[in-house]
Amino acid sequence: DAKTTQPPSMDCAEGRAANLPCNHSTISGNEYVYWYRQIHSQGPQYIIHGLKNNETNEMASLIITEDRKSSTLILPHATLRDTAVYYCIVRGLNNAGNNRKLIWGLGTSLAVNP
Amino acid sequence: EPEVTQTPSHQVTQMGQEVILRCVPISNHLYFYWYRQILGQKVEFLVSFYNNEISEKSEIFDDQFSVERPDGSNFTLKIRSTKLEDSAMYFCASSPPRSNQPQHFGDGTRLSIL
Repeated sequence: DAKTTQPPSMDCAEGRAANLPCNHSTISGNEYVYWYRQIHSQGPQYIIHGLKNNETNEMASLIITEDRKSSTLILPHATLRDTAVYYCIVRGLNNAGNNRKLIWGLGTSLAVNP
Repeated sequence: EPEVTQTPSHQVTQMGQEVILRCVPISNHLYFYWYRQILGQKVEFLVSFYNNEISEKSEIFDDQFSVERPDGSNFTLKIRSTKLEDSAMYFCASSPPRSNQPQHFGDGTRLSIL
């Protein structure tokens, strides 16, 4: 089972910030938080990932709480093309080549409205 | 930006027939994966592959499934005797050597078993 909890759906007005929460209360010290999104039935698209520091890239920002038990993905200026299912996934660090699989939940279906 | 490519985009096959799904991972990546998504359901891990061998597989990946890296660029998933329940989107992914780096996905092959 997925180790994260996300709301099933959210709405956001076009041009506004979309803040997508994720709970991962059982996260362990070596596990990263990854965010992906899936538009229709296209392949999952990587957005951002982090361990404990906040991260920002050209797509989004990731805010991780100090206790690492939750995080928020921020799309600063949502557009209609950001309508998608957003997945928050935690995965451990394993250099042996195993335990790299991503375990997917149902994600948050974000609707960006005009 | 380099991307994972998958062919064909849609495959229709009679039940009991063999099917081969093809993927070209990102060129400097060393880890390769197959996932599937039955319509309306979660993305499910099938198998990971590193250094020319399977590093991890799920319960779904039974004896009917096999993977191969026949040359330096392709990564294939073979289903020997397809069943109706194999109908799904199949996604290939690849990731760089460092274990915390994200997996990048192709746009998938829609497999329809008749």
